[in-house]
Amino acid sequence: QTVVTQEPSLTVSPGGTVTLTCASSTGAVTSGSYPNWFQQKPGQAPRALIYSTNNKHSWTPARFSGSLLGGKAALTLSGVQPEDEAEYYCLLYSGGAHVFGTGTKVTVL
Amino acid sequence: EVQLVESGGGLVQPGGSLRLSCAASGFTFSNYWMHWVRQGPGKGLVWVSRIRRDGGETNYADSVKGRFTISRDNAKNTLYLQMNSLRAEDTAVYYCVRVFVGTSQVLVDYWGQGTLVTVSS
Repeated sequence: QTVVTQEPSLTVSPGGTVTLTCASSTGAVTSGSYPNWFQQKPGQAPRALIYSTNNKHSWTPARFSGSLLGGKAALTLSGVQPEDEAEYYCLLYSGGAHVFGTGTKVTVL
Repeated sequence: EVQLVESGGGLVQPGGSLRLSCAASGFTFSNYWMHWVRQGPGKGLVWVSRIRRDGGETNYADSVKGRFTISRDNAKNTLYLQMNSLRAEDTAVYYCVRVFVGTSQVLVDYWGQGTLVTVSS
């Protein structure tokens, strides 16, 4: 069973930059894992941010970007805003199934 | 406007059954794979199951394989999840999720608001 690991928590100052990563227990994350990223705020359904590694949805703020970094999928928030404080999840495709990451709590302080 | 509206959640005893529904509107339902994702209280997101556009392929997480069945009715624009032999650990909010699968891309975009399933005696 694939396990997808993210940093449990990260803290960033307003206006700063933070990078979240998403690692797979089966090896390097590639474009063939079609990484997707989601933001979830308390009491709300998740909101999609990034699909297929680095593609933004029409509603995704420009300050969010996706990439592959050192064998992991990555989500970078540049020019962080207070409203970016949330839980972030990645999702990877793996052999006919999909697996969510463990989630990263981003605190803006 | 794309809408996904789940229903059918509630309180059920361990070993019981429940069928969730997800009514889709605002898009051509048969063009999309559909997934179920769940989230236990205070926990992270867990992928549960998916079904191909025509219903001809289904996949499940190991934790629900043999107990849950995903299906769809493209004429009614509705996705289903039949849940049998329910356990306490199945307690969660269940989300219906739309996914576009194309050449070299998997695009997860719209989520429903979720329906709560509580398994308890």
